[in-house]
Amino acid sequence: DAKTTQPNSMESNEEEPVHLPCNHSTISGTDYIHWYRQLPSQGPEYVIHGLTSNVNNRMASLAIAEDRKSSTLILHRATLRDAAVYYCILRGVLGSSNTGKLIFGQGTTLQVKP
Amino acid sequence: DSGVTQTPKHLITATGQRVTLRCSPRSGDLSVYWYQQSLDQGLQFLIQYYNGEERAKGNILERFSAQQFPDLHSELNLSSLELGDSALYFCASSVTGLAGVADTQYFGPGTRLTVL
Repeated sequence: DAKTTQPNSMESNEEEPVHLPCNHSTISGTDYIHWYRQLPSQGPEYVIHGLTSNVNNRMASLAIAEDRKSSTLILHRATLRDAAVYYCILRGVLGSSNTGKLIFGQGTTLQVKP
Repeated sequence: DSGVTQTPKHLITATGQRVTLRCSPRSGDLSVYWYQQSLDQGLQFLIQYYNGEERAKGNILERFSAQQFPDLHSELNLSSLELGDSALYFCASSVTGLAGVADTQYFGPGTRLTVL
């Protein structure tokens, strides 16, 4: 499974945008980029995913570099409830690893200050 | 609420004992995954079942086993427990169990296991 690299922690002020980076230089052409987050004392929850084009949903936006070697999760207006660990995960479509399992790294711990 | 339920929420037991953790997937989901989260190892994939059959194994100890029943609920059995098995155990479910685009995983609230 291809590896991702994320900063250990980031800070943001409430109601300001947050850009969470992820490097995945060994990404393959069929790997999707998924983001999950884990709020304190809860299980992980899906945030967003994409392949090549930028994606938006009600929770966040995902900006994917043209060479796909990096991506950025964008929270447009951080709230206190967005304080969580954010995981960037690559999920392949083809090959023997096509089982759907998630390989979590250490993620980025986001602190949101009031 | 993800729609995935796990019981019990908390479990305290002694070393050497055996416990069973239970998971009910979201309605319509065929695949169930088990993950372990400890302070030193982070979130680790243990095992996956799809429609009753084992599909993938991760870092699961031989003392641990799982199964998925015809009604699609799953149980994770942990035996000969050691202090190091203390962790949060999460169950997740998804529709297909494949690494496809729409295969979002929905996680339960977890079972906190404490081995004394």
